[in-house]
Amino acid sequence: NAGVTQTPKFRVLKTGQSMTLLCAQDMNHEYMYWYRQDPGMGLRLIHYSVGEGTTAKGEVPDGYNVSRLKKQNFLLGLESAAPSQTSVYFCASSYGQAANTIYFGEGSWLTVV
Amino acid sequence: AQKVTQAQTEISVVEKEDVTLDCVYETRDTTYYLFWYKQPPSGELVFLIRRNSFDEQNEISGRYSWNFQKSTSSFNFTITASQVVDSAVYFCALSGSSNTGKLIFGQGTTLQVKP
Repeated sequence: NAGVTQTPKFRVLKTGQSMTLLCAQDMNHEYMYWYRQDPGMGLRLIHYSVGEGTTAKGEVPDGYNVSRLKKQNFLLGLESAAPSQTSVYFCASSYGQAANTIYFGEGSWLTVV
Repeated sequence: AQKVTQAQTEISVVEKEDVTLDCVYETRDTTYYLFWYKQPPSGELVFLIRRNSFDEQNEISGRYSWNFQKSTSSFNFTITASQVVDSAVYFCALSGSSNTGKLIFGQGTTLQVKP
């Protein structure tokens, strides 16, 4: 009964380093999303995918890349981390469009020093 | 453009008090969905409720109730007889029919319930 799983949960990066956050869902959902949460700003959409092999930009895509090579996985990459990318990252998935409940992972805490 | 506003940044109440969290939204979609999520100190997002724009009936679930009013574009959340375990950040969110499921979140309201 895993649902949406994010790895890693915590990571400290130095400015300029790269890393990848992995999101995996076992609910056969078509739609997957990456959000970031910053104090006082709620959650903002970074990128999303409406199916295997597709990706699209969200509200704050700069500095991030994503890939959806397999339906169950959605990867978020930071090619050259910056302190402004210090945030909590949430992955989410849903079966379809707005009518369906969106399931969130537990979050990944990223600090860039 | 779509927008969700939670004007209350922080609310502090004493246990057993009732508290209402406000949510005002903007959208041009005729079909849309409104959500409330709870984020306890542990950090995960807990789904509380989803309502569609055609269903304006108020909903009650235990100590929780929701008041949806299209006329004022509001979807307010009331906790009756609050408890310390209700302390959390609460987010209101909107998803329009054209949004491919994307959620637009409000800024969140931090609720502190003191014993």
